[in-house]
Amino acid sequence: EVQLVESGGGLVQPGGSLRLSCAASGFTFDSYWMNWVRQAPGQGLEWVANIKQDGSEKYYVDSVKGRFTISRDNAKNSLYLQMNSLRAEDTAVYYCARSNWFDPWGRGTLVTVSS
Amino acid sequence: QSVLTQPPSASGTPGQRVTISCSGSSSNIGNNAVNWYQQLPGTAPKLLIYSSNQRPSGVPDRFSGSKSGTSASLAISGLQSEDEADHYCAAWDDSLNGFVFGTGTKVTVL
Repeated sequence: EVQLVESGGGLVQPGGSLRLSCAASGFTFDSYWMNWVRQAPGQGLEWVANIKQDGSEKYYVDSVKGRFTISRDNAKNSLYLQMNSLRAEDTAVYYCARSNWFDPWGRGTLVTVSS
Repeated sequence: QSVLTQPPSASGTPGQRVTISCSGSSSNIGNNAVNWYQQLPGTAPKLLIYSSNQRPSGVPDRFSGSKSGTSASLAISGLQSEDEADHYCAAWDDSLNGFVFGTGTKVTVL
């Protein structure tokens, strides 16, 4: 069964940092682009970043450029999102999703930025 | 940055057909494939349609997608109570160099 499980969310103060992880199983991880997508409370979906199979290409939404870094470890079948200089507006459930079709999605991990 | 516009709501009675529009531009829908997602309350989104009109295995054929120019549509025929959910379109945007999602449409079964 193809599965994605996010972890690492929590409460952090504005200006703080957090590292999210996404553990993949049930498929050949290094054959797929991977994505992070977020959803603020009561709001719609917002794509955050994606990374190519070998990590050689990465793209970000403008609002996180210079603050967030997407990475992957194919040996560990894991995707990461390093989030620095966090702001209140980064509060959201963060999902990882496989491929350019975003299929499947993990269950998400909640990040709350508040003092 | 929701550059894809959807109606906030759509509704119908059981068995009816409902259509949701997704309006974009030449840099996204006009030049790239569109995907559609369904998000049931309290759950993660699920892929409904990929490459504008393809259904993944397991998705009922009541769901269909189409694209014309800079707009796309999702149709749900034979509406059922379990179709009550938020629905989103998405596409790659060549100008932004990133994916963009639609504003989302809440489907209500009356």
